[in-house]
Amino acid sequence: DAGITQSPRHKVTETGTPVTLRCHQTENHRYMYWYRQDPGHGLRLIHYSYGVKDTDKGEVSDGYSVSRSKTEDFLLTLESATSSQTSVYFCATNTGGREYLDGNEQFFGPGTRLTVL
Amino acid sequence: GENVEQHPSTLSVQEGDSAVIKCTYSDSASNYFPWYKQELGKRPQLIIDIRSNVGEKKDQRIAVTLNKTAKHFSLHITETQPEDSAVYFCAASKESGGYQKVTFGTGTKLQVIP
Repeated sequence: DAGITQSPRHKVTETGTPVTLRCHQTENHRYMYWYRQDPGHGLRLIHYSYGVKDTDKGEVSDGYSVSRSKTEDFLLTLESATSSQTSVYFCATNTGGREYLDGNEQFFGPGTRLTVL
Repeated sequence: GENVEQHPSTLSVQEGDSAVIKCTYSDSASNYFPWYKQELGKRPQLIIDIRSNVGEKKDQRIAVTLNKTAKHFSLHITETQPEDSAVYFCAASKESGGYQKVTFGTGTKLQVIP
């Protein structure tokens, strides 16, 4: 499973509270991603990182921020959680390398189920 | 931006029969098409992929075909088994601003009936 872990695995929180999800990888992969998975929508990209302190927005970034201070950690923060952010969140990594821009495999973490009441 | 449509959303087959899942994409610049399998409560995992310079790829009971002209690609599973039951996601990928931009389909829930 490419040494990718996520914490917490489950979280229930209330509207308006801040929440931080952590993705940790031991593979030294350069690229890291945060997706959310919702019924009928598949996987949608929130933010991604192409190196330490290098991040950019995905297609559903509103209400989320990220940080990457070390190669192995990628944090996703919901500054003020809303019920619409109830979802399953997946972190993914990619090695980069020569084949990266031609397309290669993404490795996913086990997911975090977040419920915002 | 890229739009990936996937059909059907659910599929039930008898064990031993074949299953076909179809996807279309809109951006002709997409050049890499992976398929991921997600078992219930688990993470998505790559099962097969194909690049735009290849029309077909096979790995044991799984095959993928790509028609660049029509912008569609399909996953074929032969001799289905109960352990094939899962949600399958197609995706289309292209290079965009120095990173691999991947757009996923909405998923197909495959049920193999013993």
